[in-house]
Amino acid sequence: DAKTTQPTSMDCAEGRAANLPCNHSTISGNEYVYWYRQIHSQGPQYIIHGLKNNETNEMASLIITEDRKSSTLILPHATLRDTAVYYCIVRAPPDSWGKLQFGAGTQVVVTP
Amino acid sequence: DTEVTQTPKHLVMGMTNKKSLKCEQHMGHRAMYWYKQKAKKPPELMFVYSYEKLSINESVPSRFSPECPNSSLLNLHLHALQPEDSALYLCASSQVPKLNTEAFFGQGTRLTVV
Repeated sequence: DAKTTQPTSMDCAEGRAANLPCNHSTISGNEYVYWYRQIHSQGPQYIIHGLKNNETNEMASLIITEDRKSSTLILPHATLRDTAVYYCIVRAPPDSWGKLQFGAGTQVVVTP
Repeated sequence: DTEVTQTPKHLVMGMTNKKSLKCEQHMGHRAMYWYKQKAKKPPELMFVYSYEKLSINESVPSRFSPECPNSSLLNLHLHALQPEDSALYLCASSQVPKLNTEAFFGQGTRLTVV
């Protein structure tokens, strides 16, 4: 499975965009990039995923570089409730039954 | 209904006790997972069930015994645990066998072994 590298922590001002980088230089052609977040003492929450193209949903946008070696999760207008650990995960192939392997993640703190 | 329900929310057990954690989902998902999360660490995969059959055991000690009695229910039976087994135990579910599908997590059971 491809490994991911994320910054340990990031601060973001409330109302501003939060840009969370992730490196996955060993990603395979059929592996998707997933983002989850975990608010303190809660279960992880799915945010978004993508393969090659940029993706957007009601929570965030995902920008994947053309060579697929890195990606950026964008929270367009961060709120205090977005304070959480954000995990970038490269998903295992189907024959592994799609298991998710979490890395260390980025602790994002949104400040007023 | 996109919910995974775990019970109990908190559990304190002695090292000689036997207890069970329960996880339930009604999304029609056929893959269910157990994760263990220690404080300030990411979740670690323990078991994966697919179509009610155990498909992955990540070398978990036998004092943890999973069970999937039907497609909606997943149990984790605990016996003779150690204090270092204290952690947040998370259950998740997802569709099978699609690649590009997300997993839904429960809120976890906070286990303390005394």
